[in-house]
Amino acid sequence: SSELTQDPAVSVALGQTVRITCQGDSLRTYFANWYQQRPGQAPVLVMYDRNSRPSGIPDRFSGSSSGDTASLTITGAQAEDDADYYCHSRDSSGKHLIFGGGTKLTVL
Amino acid sequence: QVQLQESGPGLVKPSETLSLTCSVSGGSFSSFYWSWIRQPPGKGLQWIGYIYYSGSTNYSPSLKSRVTMSVDTSRKQFSLNLKSVTGADTGIYYCARYSRSAGAFDLWGQGTVVTVSS
Repeated sequence: SSELTQDPAVSVALGQTVRITCQGDSLRTYFANWYQQRPGQAPVLVMYDRNSRPSGIPDRFSGSSSGDTASLTITGAQAEDDADYYCHSRDSSGKHLIFGGGTKLTVL
Repeated sequence: QVQLQESGPGLVKPSETLSLTCSVSGGSFSSFYWSWIRQPPGKGLQWIGYIYYSGSTNYSPSLKSRVTMSVDTSRKQFSLNLKSVTGADTGIYYCARYSRSAGAFDLWGQGTVVTVSS
């Protein structure tokens, strides 16, 4: 398969923990990266190489992977985490790049 | 710090060619893959393709027949041409830097809106 599947929407209470998942056959071989996109803004890389955070990304963001599913966990969600989150990886051939459909995270 | 800036027409007629340029400032141009990604209104991200500073390319299979990318290392610019456009090509077009070492798009432009309409 050359698809990455994400739940369209997830919600979390302020200060609680939320996990956003990305499922696809290619994730058994290739790692997932995660991007945060706030309304009207360009995406920002928040996690790469399974569990590496770029400089400036809070440590409440963490990544993990098991089988065909990658996860982005936010521990102690803040109001500013209210955004769309996209996973990204390679397709099953390994030659091309693909994105998941995105998850809209609402922080209540 | 490194910045990316897209430029090009905001309105393109159906069946014509969409042409955009991304200018890179403040950092190295070599050793990176330079990419185009688009986002239709209200929808998710779609990878269009990337070009290495040496000129080698890799395009999305779904767009390969209509896409051409080029690079001008002297100007630190790379470009996208998408031919035979339709309304389905309307959206925000982002240029981004793809880091091979990270395997991720670690830097993005602000995006430019392109509308396909007569």
